[in-house]
Amino acid sequence: DQQVKQNSPSLSVQEGRISILNCDYTNSMFDYFLWYKKYPAEGPTFLISISSIKDKNEDGRFTVFLNKSAKHLSLHIVPSQPGDSAVYFCAARLLNAGGTSYGKLTFGQGTILTVHP
Amino acid sequence: DGGITQSPKYLFRKEGQNVTLSCEQNLNHDAMYWYRQDPGQGLRLIYYSQIVNDFQKGDIAEGYSVSREKKESFPLTVTSAQKNPTAFYLCASRRQGTDTQYFGPGTRLTVL
Repeated sequence: DQQVKQNSPSLSVQEGRISILNCDYTNSMFDYFLWYKKYPAEGPTFLISISSIKDKNEDGRFTVFLNKSAKHLSLHIVPSQPGDSAVYFCAARLLNAGGTSYGKLTFGQGTILTVHP
Repeated sequence: DGGITQSPKYLFRKEGQNVTLSCEQNLNHDAMYWYRQDPGQGLRLIYYSQIVNDFQKGDIAEGYSVSREKKESFPLTVTSAQKNPTAFYLCASRRQGTDTQYFGPGTRLTVL
């Protein structure tokens, strides 16, 4: 059962335009969300995160939006650059009944972003 | 210059052999994690450790074993019991009190 889903396997955008990557989740006990960027044959690098008590977090060209009622989050990249071409993973932290998580994250399948010059 | 190192980058093994993947971090992080990535799939958690001498199974622990004798090191052994071991293996660490995991460069294991 995939609790975190990235339904778009790939996305192609023109340089300078906006890239919007989407992520849906099913478990309402997820309380913290992260986006990672990954190049082929490398480890993921952390991009941006958001707590469930917020609906927006911004860091430079990257903005993450969270819609708790829809169980949906999105990553906006503006403006997109060719160097942004990579696989993007969203991840969610699950709080257990005791209020701990042990830092365990559940990852989506990833979306391949290609930014054309 | 702190970080996470994984070695080797590429590893080949014959079917039926055990193999150990190395993960070392000098970030002074308490928690460490092992994931595997398969094509078209996200990262799946194999094992994790919150402190030295303690570790727990993740979602797909069968056929794998770990040890955590030192804070800096969290080696993963892929045993012959793992039915489909060919994958990209990623190690991560996390500072207690935070939620961000930092990843190593990964090891590509291929079973021949």
